Amino acid sequence: GAVVSQHPSRVICKSGTSVKIECRSLDFQATTMFWYRQFPKQSLMLMATSNEGSKATYEQGVEKDKFLINHASLTLSTLTVTSAHPEDSSFYICSAPFQGYTEAFFGQGTRLTVV
Amino acid sequence: KQEVTQIPAALSVPEGENLVLNCSFTDSAIYNLQWFRQDPGKGLTSLLLIQSSQREQTSGRLNASLDKSSGRSTLYIAASQPGDSATYLCAVYNTNAGKSTFGDGTTLTVKP
Repeated sequence: GAVVSQHPSRVICKSGTSVKIECRSLDFQATTMFWYRQFPKQSLMLMATSNEGSKATYEQGVEKDKFLINHASLTLSTLTVTSAHPEDSSFYICSAPFQGYTEAFFGQGTRLTVV
Repeated sequence: KQEVTQIPAALSVPEGENLVLNCSFTDSAIYNLQWFRQDPGKGLTSLLLIQSSQREQTSGRLNASLDKSSGRSTLYIAASQPGDSATYLCAVYNTNAGKSTFGDGTTLTVKP
């Protein structure tokens, strides 16, 4: 069945470095990928929408220069947290709509810790 | 704009009790509603997905219901166990945008 594979599941990085998170759609083409973020003790909030071959759309308050999204192919979207700081430590998860947007599949999530 | 509310925010029960978690949403134009489990420091585990045309879904000790017209869903957990302790999230998948809106979650503690 349709699956979204997200890597890495956990990453610890030093402050000031960049981290790339990948989401791949397996067995289906994902022209759109959604990226969510979860702050501690809060729910998941939509950060941005990536569309294959075009610029991502960011939700209000999300810094596009800090969270770089690339959707270069129909099966791969990446989120790069640039110059990460401790306040970027969070849980990030992607989802991809399937079958004409009737269902969405979620990646496993990435827990980022910036030290 | 879709808003999803989960009640209660936290719940503590003794082992063996049956319990109900609630999820309500404001926009009934949904494709489906999904219940997830999240353990501390871990990712999401999908528990049950109910399509908009369905009334309920069952998996083991879990039963999820959906009343789309009233904007409500419940997750029923039978014979709770300490291993059920986790945060339970509901997510509503909207028709137009393809986005999901999550509730704030219910943190469940099952005491031995």
